[in-house]
Amino acid sequence: DQQVKQNSPSLSVQEGRISILNCDYTNSMFDYFLWYKKYPAEGPTFLISISSIKDKNEDGRFTVFLNKSAKHLSLHIVPSQPGDSAVYFCAASARAGGTSYGKLTFGQGTILTVHP
Amino acid sequence: NAGVTQTPKFQVLKTGQSMTLQCAQDMNHEYMSWYRQDPGMGLRLIHYSVGAGITDQGEVPNGYNVSRSTTEDFPLRLLSAAPSQTSVYFCASRGSGNQPQHFGDGTRLSIL
Repeated sequence: DQQVKQNSPSLSVQEGRISILNCDYTNSMFDYFLWYKKYPAEGPTFLISISSIKDKNEDGRFTVFLNKSAKHLSLHIVPSQPGDSAVYFCAASARAGGTSYGKLTFGQGTILTVHP
Repeated sequence: NAGVTQTPKFQVLKTGQSMTLQCAQDMNHEYMSWYRQDPGMGLRLIHYSVGAGITDQGEVPNGYNVSRSTTEDFPLRLLSAAPSQTSVYFCASRGSGNQPQHFGDGTRLSIL
């Protein structure tokens, strides 16, 4: 059972426009969410995160929105640049026994292509 | 500034062979983990460790062993490789609290 889902395998956007990547989760115990970016032949690199006590977190061109009631989060990239072309993974973690071991559950990934 | 280092980068094995994938981090992180990435399935947790001498199973542990004798190293062992273990393997580490995990560049493993 996929607890974290990214239903769009790919997204194509024009340079300068907004990219919106979506992620849904089913486990109500998840309380920390992250987005990772991955280039070919490299490991995932951390992009931005959000705790369940917030509904928005912003870092430069990247903003993550969390809708707990809908169990949905999204990553907005504005403006999109060709260098943003990569696979984007959302991930979630839940506290276990009061200690966060940080075990991450990943979505399937979305391939973002930003055209010049 | 090495971060998380994985070796080898590529490996081809025959069914039934054994192998150890190496992972080392130089950030003094307590938490280390192994993931496998398969097409259409994202990354799935195999085993993790919250400190030297402490390991536990993740989502897909069968066919893999781990140990954590030092803070720096977290090797992953395949005792008898099977074609279903063909995948890209990523090691990650993180510090305490909700710090993000840092990933190595992966080991691409093919089992014939």
